[in-house]
Amino acid sequence: AQTVTQSQPEMSVQEAETVTLSCTYDTSENNYYLFWYKQPPSRQMILVIRQEAYKQQNATENRFSVNFQKAAKSFSLKISDSQLGDTAMYFCARSGSRLTFGEGTQLTVNP
Amino acid sequence: GAVVSQHPSWVICKSGTSVKIECRSLDFQATTMFWYRQFPKQSLMLMATSNEGSKATYEQGVEKDKFLINHASLTLSTLTVTSAHPEDSSFYICSAGGETRRVGEQFFGPGTRLTVL
Repeated sequence: AQTVTQSQPEMSVQEAETVTLSCTYDTSENNYYLFWYKQPPSRQMILVIRQEAYKQQNATENRFSVNFQKAAKSFSLKISDSQLGDTAMYFCARSGSRLTFGEGTQLTVNP
Repeated sequence: GAVVSQHPSWVICKSGTSVKIECRSLDFQATTMFWYRQFPKQSLMLMATSNEGSKATYEQGVEKDKFLINHASLTLSTLTVTSAHPEDSSFYICSAGGETRRVGEQFFGPGTRLTVL
């Protein structure tokens, strides 16, 4: 089975600091998309950032950026200047005929 | 853009009754819709994939006679939990794909919390 692995079940960070969430994946395809979704306590899934596999440049969205290493099949998320509102479950996902999700990382931002 | 609504947001029902959950794409045509189930502190588990006008494709282990999915139009899919039992209590999330400017991406509804007494 083609999987997505998030090896950090829980992480915490102090407000205003930087944190990196890890994700590795498996795929036999050459063209695919990678996503980070955020699920706050409301449980609404919110897209944080997306990366097209054919693009070498790492995607950025304001305080969020990724480190995409295609050969290593690695897709980590960096959150800069962490805010209390960043507290949520974060899911890494890979596209295909369906989205394949990792198990999630619960991030807590402490004041 | 790419908004997906889900109704109801929370439903409580008695054991043995059926419950219908609606999922609508509000501003785009969803060629494919997905239904997920999520237990607390766990990831999303895909239950089924539906394409407009076609029968849904169910994941292994999901009872198609219990979880009836209809995708009658490009903006509406419904999940009916038939003869619900307490073990069906969970959080159900729908998503929609097919937004032409966002290839490969799914847009998620806010979810429905089902409690079966």
